[in-house]
Amino acid sequence: ETGVTQSPTHLIKTRGQQVTLRCSSQSGHNTVSWYQQALGQGPQFIFQYYREEENGRGNFPPRFSGLQFPNYSSELNVNALELDDSALYLCASSYGQGQETQYFGPGTRLLVL
Amino acid sequence: RKEVEQDPGPFNVPEGATVAFNCTYSNSASQSFFWYRQDCRKEPKLLMSVYSSGNEDGRFTAQLNRASQYISLLIRDSKLSDSATYLCVVNPYGGSQGNLIFGKGTKLSVKP
Repeated sequence: ETGVTQSPTHLIKTRGQQVTLRCSSQSGHNTVSWYQQALGQGPQFIFQYYREEENGRGNFPPRFSGLQFPNYSSELNVNALELDDSALYLCASSYGQGQETQYFGPGTRLLVL
Repeated sequence: RKEVEQDPGPFNVPEGATVAFNCTYSNSASQSFFWYRQDCRKEPKLLMSVYSSGNEDGRFTAQLNRASQYISLLIRDSKLSDSATYLCVVNPYGGSQGNLIFGKGTKLSVKP
């Protein structure tokens, strides 16, 4: 096991609602990256947080936002949910903001109806 | 052109077979390369990093050709437990950003 935990494991929401997903990084790691994985696709980078600051963002609209806390845990918030937001949301923790190996949590499976 | 492209698969092979996966990437400035393995409904797990000199870990061999922007993974003596989706992954940035670019994955099914 990687030591990266995510909650909740599953979630069902309706269009227009808001959702908050949580991630606890592996001990000693200060970087959290979030990815969205739609069915049959590889994970897509949403954004990364390093020492509580956003450190890069993928091609996702502003309604996807995040936070990192002093203990390096992180939240992903999605507003105004759309049907296409249904996916597996993965967080990955690592040490540093560069080439270090990222370790993934088990993911949160979100279904938007 | 997609940033990371993989063989579409699926690959259905008998136990003991040798199977090879290929991957190409579009950003010639990419810095680091990996193969991840993802079991059904699970998170991706790092299988191995890929180096220019090539590297081997037991039955698994990874190769990188920077000139051709091509990455490969060879699995020898396939086991039933190798059945999974194999994701080719590229980190396009040097140092300041560590986002990973994933291919769509190639599904491998090893049969008895």
